[in-house]
Order: sequence, then C-alpha cells, then structure tokens
Amino acid sequence: ETGVTQTPRHLVMGMTNKKSLKCEQHLGHNAMYWYKQSAKKPLELMFVYNFKEQTENNSVPSRFSPECPNSSHLFLHLHTLQPEDSALYLCASSQEVQNNYGYTFGSGTRLTVV
Amino acid sequence: GIQVEQSPPDLILQEGANSTLRCNFSDSVNNLQWFHQNPWGQLINLFYIPSGTKQNGRLSATTVATERYSLLYISSSQTTDSGVYFCAVVIYGQNFVFGPGTRLSVLP
Repeated sequence: ETGVTQTPRHLVMGMTNKKSLKCEQHLGHNAMYWYKQSAKKPLELMFVYNFKEQTENNSVPSRFSPECPNSSHLFLHLHTLQPEDSALYLCASSQEVQNNYGYTFGSGTRLTVV
Repeated sequence: GIQVEQSPPDLILQEGANSTLRCNFSDSVNNLQWFHQNPWGQLINLFYIPSGTKQNGRLSATTVATERYSLLYISSSQTTDSGVYFCAVVIYGQNFVFGPGTRLSVLP
C-alpha cells in the first residue's frame, strides 16, 4: 500500500446506474487529484482539490461529479456513463497543489461501462 | 502548454540487459518525476529529480534542466521492471503534465 487507498478495485456498471469511487489518503496531504487513464492514452487530469476546495476541473462532463468532504477523502460520483468512460481511474495526493513533493498514487479503480 | 515526449514508446529486453529511457520537455520546469506503472495499474514514484543525478539500486536518473531532458537508466533488468515508465513535469503553481510513457517488457 502506498498510503493512498482506492475502492473498489474493479467496477462494472450499466449506463443507467449510479455508483461512487472512493479515495482515502493517510499521508497528511492537503491536495488530492482524480486522473483518467484510457487504453493507449496519456494520463488525463480530471479534478484537483486543494484544502478541500476544487481548484481545477479540466472540462470534465457533468456525469462525473467529485466530492471532497475533508483533506483525507475524495469521491467521484458517476451517473449515466457511456461505454467510452471505461478506463482506469486513479487518485493521487500531494503536500499541496503548489508542492508536488510526495506525489503518491492509489492503485486505481478499473471501471467498465456496459 | 508544455509538451512532454518520451522515447522509445516500446522496449523489449532480455533479463539482465541495461536500458536508457528518455524524456524531453519543451519548457523550463520546476519539478520532474519518474513513475513506474506496474502491470496491475499501480503507479510508483521512482525519482523526484528537477536537476542532477540520483541513484536508487539498479535505477538511476539524470536531468539536464538547461537542455530540457531527463534520462532514466535501468541496469541488470528484471522481469519485475516490466510496465510503463512515465515522466511528469510541472511548472510552479501548475499541475503535472505526463508524457505518453515507455512500455517496457523484460523477458525471462
């Protein structure tokens, strides 16, 4: 374990389902991130939270809804997804957004939309 | 925005061989890190190396910031080294920009 825990590890959902991905970090970091990794594509940054406040949303469709109740927890709520949303979703954390030292990734949630 | 290129895109090695992976970036950066993603998707931070040279066991990395490139050396490769190696750079106050990765396969 790296100190960043993601659940579930695998998720299969239908296009009409609603599900949530969870990320938890025990590193005392203040910044948390969601990334999407599709096959044969570079890592895509989706959302950034710094001290619980969202500081970046990279034009992510509204069917992805993040939530950061505190600096240790980050959620990604999913609804009415499309098959092209199937990917590995990675959570990461760092000391702060302006300080990338200690950047740590979770193991990811492999999502399949059917 | 800043562009990050990595070469080669794919690399196949026999166990015990050495290799060099390259990362080029288009602008001055404040931070550069190398990550290894294993076949199960886990991304591990290998080096924090905005400049200079660092070594950790069989791995070492060198960044020449003035010439905008970084090299990752893997010596005496093992099958557990297989996976994708990403270079990521950041300009102060902005977020990481990841390169496309080098996919390494080490054969027994």
